[in-house]
Amino acid sequence: AQKVTQAQTEISVVEKEDVTLDCVYETRDTTYYLFWYKQPPSGELVFLIRRNSFDEQNEISGRYSWNFQKSTSSFNFTITASQVVDSAVYFCALSEASQGGSEKLVFGKGTKLTVNP
Amino acid sequence: EAQVTQNPRYLITVTGKKLTVTCSQNMNHEYMSWYRQDPGLGLRQIYYSMNVEVTDKGDVPEGYKVSRKEKRNFPLILESPSPNQTSLYFCASSARRRSAQYFGPGTRLLVL
Repeated sequence: AQKVTQAQTEISVVEKEDVTLDCVYETRDTTYYLFWYKQPPSGELVFLIRRNSFDEQNEISGRYSWNFQKSTSSFNFTITASQVVDSAVYFCALSEASQGGSEKLVFGKGTKLTVNP
Repeated sequence: EAQVTQNPRYLITVTGKKLTVTCSQNMNHEYMSWYRQDPGLGLRQIYYSMNVEVTDKGDVPEGYKVSRKEKRNFPLILESPSPNQTSLYFCASSARRRSAQYFGPGTRLLVL
């Protein structure tokens, strides 16, 4: 069964620090998709990134970067030079593709990031 | 504006009184889902739909029903709500299988 573990429940940093949010997943499938979502204090959920299991290239988008390592079943998210606006709960999620038409999506429990000025 | 809307946004009800939370999207998306969010548990999928008249269970479907009679709408029905269904509910839609999901603003439900 698919599972996502975000071991860091809460992280607190000072502005401009770099911070990495960990995501470890479990799946028996060879084809799967990983996601990160952001939930700021206002409560909405915002899509950040999707990565399929065949694409292990790291991705960078501005101050955000993602490190996908199949060998350790991890899909970690790094924020460089953090800002107060990065304060949010971040969720990692997994969807197994071999379930045919299934759209099952499993989320981790989330990591609450607080960036202090 | 492309969006997913949910109504009501807040609801207080009593045990056993049937209720429906509506969800509508204007992006012509095929895929829609319902999630509940509880402290310490993250988001858990209740039901999803891959097209009109095609729905399937997520991880926590007990006590919920859904229907997808039109592409844009995906209501969540609680036929006999119980206090353990007190939660924050999100509806989401996506254009393609296993692609980015667009979430509604959430519905906070309290069952007394």
